[in-house]
Amino acid sequence: AQKITQTQPGMFVQEKEAVTLDCTYDTSDPSYGLFWYKQPSSGEMIFLIYQGSYDQQNATEGRYSLNFQKARKSANLVISASQLGDSAMYFCAMRNPGANSKLTFGKGITLSVRP
Amino acid sequence: DAMVIQNPRYQVTQFGKPVTLSCSQTLNHNVMYWYQQKSSQAPKLLFHYYDKDFNNEADTPDNFQSRRPNTSFCFLDIRSPGLGDAAMYLCATSTRRGAGETQYFGPGTRLLVL
Repeated sequence: AQKITQTQPGMFVQEKEAVTLDCTYDTSDPSYGLFWYKQPSSGEMIFLIYQGSYDQQNATEGRYSLNFQKARKSANLVISASQLGDSAMYFCAMRNPGANSKLTFGKGITLSVRP
Repeated sequence: DAMVIQNPRYQVTQFGKPVTLSCSQTLNHNVMYWYQQKSSQAPKLLFHYYDKDFNNEADTPDNFQSRRPNTSFCFLDIRSPGLGDAAMYLCATSTRRGAGETQYFGPGTRLLVL
């Protein structure tokens, strides 16, 4: 069975600093995709970044980068130069191949950016 | 801009009164999903359509139904809403099913059951 674990309590970061949000996963499939989503208080789930299990390079998208450590089964999200608008809930998710390849979400982490 | 649209953004219904939530997409994606998200929890997949092929999750109550009349639209019908069905309902789409396929979400509909 697939599982995503996000155990950090609410995170706080000072504006303009970098922050790392932790995510570990468990799967027996060699092929999988890892995703990070941001959910502000408005409720919309915003796609941030994707990492494939066979990708050699860590994914980057603007201020977001994914620290992918396959042997440790971790996929931490790094947000550089935090902005006030980054305050939100962040979900790590995994998808496996197959006809019913559902997106398995972690419980999420709340990030608060302080001015 | 291509996007996923949900209407209404807020829905109030009475206990037991049927309600329909709407989702439309301009991405021309083959797959459309419905998720239920309760407060402070992760989204929970209810079902999805791959083209016209309906795929129900094993633990989705019979009270929840879905229709996809065409590629662009998908509806979530709650036949007899209970107080426990109050939640955010999120629609998502993806090009195909598969490990590398990103799901794009709409803004959600917050359902309140009185």
